[in-house]
Amino acid sequence: QVQLVESGGGVVQPGGSLRLSCAPSGFTFSTFGMHWVRQAPGKGLEWVAFIRFDGTAQYYADSVKGRFTISRDNSKNTLYLQMNSLRPEDTAVYFCAKNRGRAEAGDFDYWGQGTLVTVSS
Amino acid sequence: EIVLTQSPATLSLSPGERATLSCRASESVNRYLAWYQQKPGQAPRLLIYDASNRATGLPARFSGSGSGTDFSLIISSLEPEDFAVYYCQQRSKWPLTFGGGTKVEIK
Repeated sequence: QVQLVESGGGVVQPGGSLRLSCAPSGFTFSTFGMHWVRQAPGKGLEWVAFIRFDGTAQYYADSVKGRFTISRDNSKNTLYLQMNSLRPEDTAVYFCAKNRGRAEAGDFDYWGQGTLVTVSS
Repeated sequence: EIVLTQSPATLSLSPGERATLSCRASESVNRYLAWYQQKPGQAPRLLIYDASNRATGLPARFSGSGSGTDFSLIISSLEPEDFAVYYCQQRSKWPLTFGGGTKVEIK
């Protein structure tokens, strides 16, 4: 069955950096686009970033553009989110999610359990 | 960006009752709208995609309808496990956006 396991969350000071990873299994990772979605404590869902199945295109929310970078290594079956210049408002649970279809702008049919990122001094 | 407005914010109902959740888009999203269910401490779960298509394994009591700017998620008869927060999400244009959520709580 499909599984997505995130790692790399933790506590970081404002202005710091963190890299999240997502390890998928149960499907052919190299043929699907992937997303990061976040949820601040007690708040709703916010889409963060998308990467095409082959890594040749990425899209970002305005709130993270220029600070976050989504990438993937299909040979290692891993999705990444490099987060730089972190702000307190980036504090959230970060979910990786599989794009449901082959279209780029998709919805999310499988989600990981999330990893908590806390930005605080 | 496309803004999705969900109403009501909270729906207080009893098991067995019918729930009708609304999602309105600030511009047309055609039928590119999905619905998710999220329970406390869990990841969201895809329920409906492209306005009316049920995800694999979803019970028939869940149905979605709508197109353009107005969409509905209907739960025909609430089961105890259906009390949760529900989000809509559009994939018509970047950036992908979610509604603010509707909490379905036990009355």
